[in-house]
Amino acid sequence: DAGITQSPRHKVTETGTPVTLRCHQTENHRYMYWYRQDPGHGLRLIHYSYGVKDTDKGEVSDGYSVSRSKTEDFLLTLESATSSQTSVYFCAISVGGLAAETQYFGPGTRLLVL
Amino acid sequence: AQSVTQLGSHVSVSEGALVLLRCNYSSSVPPYLFWYVQYPNQGLQLLLKYTTGATLVKGINGFEAEFKKSETSFHLTKPSAHMSDAAEYFCAVTPFSGGYNKLIFGAGTRLAVHP
Repeated sequence: DAGITQSPRHKVTETGTPVTLRCHQTENHRYMYWYRQDPGHGLRLIHYSYGVKDTDKGEVSDGYSVSRSKTEDFLLTLESATSSQTSVYFCAISVGGLAAETQYFGPGTRLLVL
Repeated sequence: AQSVTQLGSHVSVSEGALVLLRCNYSSSVPPYLFWYVQYPNQGLQLLLKYTTGATLVKGINGFEAEFKKSETSFHLTKPSAHMSDAAEYFCAVTPFSGGYNKLIFGAGTRLAVHP
């Protein structure tokens, strides 16, 4: 357990509404990540952060934004949710030295966009 | 671009039989390799990882994997399947690029274990 919590764990929303997912860590790790998981695709990186206010895009960043104002919190925002963003979202952190960092994952948020 | 291929989206074995889950990768630099397991409605849990050194890596729950550079493979095995091994397994690869590791995941293999 790497001390990662995600909230909410489940959410149902309507197309066009904004949605914010929260990832919270308790161990002060520098690197944090947001992934989405879809059948047949494994996990794909949406955005990542390498420090407070330092973020960058991943593989599938369109339609998503992130913010990190504190080391422990990494927020993922869907500005205007679409049905294609129905997915399971996972937050992760990197643990270890630069030579062999391992990512540990939170429990996930299941999002349904109607 | 790096990619990971997991052969077989579904694998079914009998309890007590050998488990073999296949993973091949493409990478332009020597990679670090990982296997994760996901039980229903849970997050991903690290099974094992290869970074450097011994190419046969042992992980949790009796699983092991062997890095074969010549075959660009990192197959996961367990000598004797248990009902509790039923889960989805993900292979992932990252070339160490200094600063952070961008994990590239395979599509996953769902393992079913029947009595």
